[in-house]
Parts: sequence; structure tokens; C-alpha cells
Amino acid sequence: DAKTTQPTSMDCAEGRAANLPCNHSTISGNEYVYWYRQIHSQGPQYIIHGLKNNETNEMASLIITEDRKSSTLILPHATLRDTAVYYCIVRVALGGGNKLTFGTGTQLKVEL
Amino acid sequence: NAGVTQTPKFQVLKTGQSMTLQCAQDMNHNSMYWYRQDPGMGLRLIYYSASEGTTDKGEVPNGYNVSRLNKREFSLRLESAAPSQTSVYFCASSSGGSDTEAFFGQGTRLTVV
Repeated sequence: DAKTTQPTSMDCAEGRAANLPCNHSTISGNEYVYWYRQIHSQGPQYIIHGLKNNETNEMASLIITEDRKSSTLILPHATLRDTAVYYCIVRVALGGGNKLTFGTGTQLKVEL
Repeated sequence: NAGVTQTPKFQVLKTGQSMTLQCAQDMNHNSMYWYRQDPGMGLRLIYYSASEGTTDKGEVPNGYNVSRLNKREFSLRLESAAPSQTSVYFCASSSGGSDTEAFFGQGTRLTVV
């Protein structure tokens, strides 16, 4: 399984863009990069995923480098409600199902 | 649309007691998963079921058993609870393809004393 490396914590001012980096240098060609977040002790929430191309949805943007060894999650206008632990995960597909391998993630704190 | 529903939300057990954590999804998903999360840690996979009728071990299966009762329901059983199993347990489901997202329940907070 490809492993990921993320900073332990980051701070961001409310209204500014939050850029969360992730290193996944051993990723395989058919593995997707997923981002989830966990607010307080709630169940993790899906944010976005991508394979090669940059992706954008209503929550965030995902920038994947051309060599796919790293990616950045961008929250364009962070709010206090975006304070959470953000997990970068490389998706392992197994026999029609799949499983998520969570690291310890990045604790993002959005402040006034 | 409830998504993934876990019961109970909280439970306190004495060492040696048994219990079953219930999980149900209403999204017609093929795959279901059980994770545990210890304080300050990421989630770790206990067991998963890629499709109805199949189950497989994850990263930390010891002390647990699972049953995929039907496509909707996936239960996790602790036969003889130990203090080391004090944790928050999350159930998740996904349609199963490699390009799909997983949906998580709100968790069961289990304390074994």
C-alpha cells in the first residue's frame, strides 16, 4: 500500500485559502488520492478524490503533481467550521471492494 | 435518507462481557467496513465485506467477529470484551468500485471497564 505523509498541524485565518499538502511518493499508477475530514469525533466525511488530473467540487480543489508523488487539498475560503483533522488517503482496491488506510492526518485550525 | 446508521451510540461493558454493534446502510452499497479509532489516532480497519456473503480481515481483527447479514447490514461482535477494546467504532459503506467514496456512520463509543 502506498503510504502518505502529512504535516501534523496547520493554522489558517478565516476567509483565507487553506492549502494542505500530502506526500505519497510510492503511489501506484492505478491508485486514487482521496481526502476525508473528521470534525471533532464525528464519522469521517468525504471531500474529494482524483487520479491524475486536478479536481474541483463545491467543497475543495485537489491539485496532484504531474509525477503523482504529492498533492494539495485547497479549501478556497476557510471558515471556522472547517476546523477538523484532514486525512489524505491512497485508495487500495481489493477484489471489487476497497479499504481506506488512515494515517494521523493534519489538524487544521481555522482562526478569526 | 439515513445513510449509515450505527447502534448503539454509547456502551459500557465489563471485561469479559459480549456485545454486538449493529450497522445498516440504505444506499444499496456492496461494500461495508468496520473501523476503530483510539484517542489521537487515525482509523484502523477491523473487518470489511466487499460484497454480500463475503468478509475479510483488516488490520486489527483479533478479538472481533463480523456477520454480513444481508446487503444492508454488517454487524461487529465482541465475544469477550477487554479494556484494550475501549475505542470509538465506525461503520462505513461504499458502492465498491475503486472510484467511489465511503460513507461513515456517527460512531459507537465503547468503554470496557
